[in-house]
Amino acid sequence: KAGVTQTPRYLIKTRGQQVTLSCSPISGHRSVSWYQQTPGQGLQFLFEYFSETQRNKGNFPGRFSGRQFSNSRSEMNVSTLELGDSALYLCASSLISDEQFFGPGTRLTVL
Amino acid sequence: GEDVEQSLFLSVREGDSSVINCTYTDSSSTYLYWYKQEPGAGLQLLTYIFSNMDMKQDQRLTVLLNKKDKHLSLRIADTQTGDSAIYFCALREGTYKYIFGTGTRLKVLA
Repeated sequence: KAGVTQTPRYLIKTRGQQVTLSCSPISGHRSVSWYQQTPGQGLQFLFEYFSETQRNKGNFPGRFSGRQFSNSRSEMNVSTLELGDSALYLCASSLISDEQFFGPGTRLTVL
Repeated sequence: GEDVEQSLFLSVREGDSSVINCTYTDSSSTYLYWYKQEPGAGLQLLTYIFSNMDMKQDQRLTVLLNKKDKHLSLRIADTQTGDSAIYFCALREGTYKYIFGTGTRLKVLA
């Protein structure tokens, strides 16, 4: 069974631009969560989707948004990029809520 | 909200046991997890324990949970150089949200 895939793996953007990251969960998994990982803040929860509905959201500004499609694939979008948005963005999927499986992440660099 | 703390670094010699510690503030979490992250990679689930358990053993890994002290530990027996990585403890807050510790960087010396 294929694992969680994230595209692209690496991304370089400039301040003010917007970016869309994609996550394909493990087949059959309907829950997708997003995390931001930075050296200073560690792993921080962004949001979680289940069956196209956002069930929980972390403490991030409205520039961070996401969505989930009917095939459970999820995208997250960051608008008006800031230097501080440079991070590793991790996606995790789960069949039920007790185990999360992580993708390799997308490393975003904002110049 | 939940606060999860870990020491930042741990260095051990190959063949020794490693013990990585985690303390948390909210005792309502039903699942507690240990993840491993190698350089340039995502997180790999190592093991997890239910809050009604005190101990769980899985091959070289032993998880101990002290609910009274809100303390979780991961012991790696016979630590190998391939165990060098960052280890995160995580708790589930509510049903859908996970809170991760700060991560402990384990360095195994040959």
